[in-house]
Amino acid sequence: GQQVMQIPQYQHVQEGEDFTTYCNSSTTLSNIQWYKQRPGGHPVFLIQLVKSGEVKKQKRLTFQFGEAKKNSSLHITATQTTDVGTYFCAGRLGAQKLVFGQGTRLTINP
Amino acid sequence: DTGVSQDPRHKITKRGQNVTFRCDPISEHNRLYWYRQTLGQGPEFLTYFQNEAQLEKSRLLSDRFSAERPKGSFSTLEIQRTEQGDSAMYLCASSQGQGPNEKLFFGSGTQLSVL
Repeated sequence: GQQVMQIPQYQHVQEGEDFTTYCNSSTTLSNIQWYKQRPGGHPVFLIQLVKSGEVKKQKRLTFQFGEAKKNSSLHITATQTTDVGTYFCAGRLGAQKLVFGQGTRLTINP
Repeated sequence: DTGVSQDPRHKITKRGQNVTFRCDPISEHNRLYWYRQTLGQGPEFLTYFQNEAQLEKSRLLSDRFSAERPKGSFSTLEIQRTEQGDSAMYLCASSQGQGPNEKLFFGSGTQLSVL
């Protein structure tokens, strides 16, 4: 079945450093979504990418969708302590259910 | 509060007991999902409803799990004869519409501990 793999599982950075998490699917996706889960919280929708090669930015966050629509990345520039949490990608095949990656947990040393 | 609400927030039960969780979605949302999340993992799909119809159920879900959405509004998830492996956070999510642009709004979850 459809699988979505995410790396790294954990990332610890100094405040101000950059952070990147990568997401790979075994199948071509119709779209990919990114969610953020704060410690003790629930996943919150960040963004959706639909087009091949699409790049979207939200302030310090840059999201990319690969040309083959099988991979995606989230890059955070100059991390801040408010960026702490676990970032999940979630891929959709056609109009089917979202399949979540295992997440990348980001911790930051102030 | 107009978000997705789940009840209870925490449930501790003994192995073999039955438990039931409730989810109230955002009122205008027609789709409702149940996911399960264990520590260090992403949400794992369990089942979902379009209005009152249960459209898909994970093959990983045993017969001890059942979900209902009788009037197309709130939903319940029941686990019979709980096992220690059922310990997890049970997340409910709702959405409006369907298709590739659908995005999910999650509740705060019910944390189940089976002793």
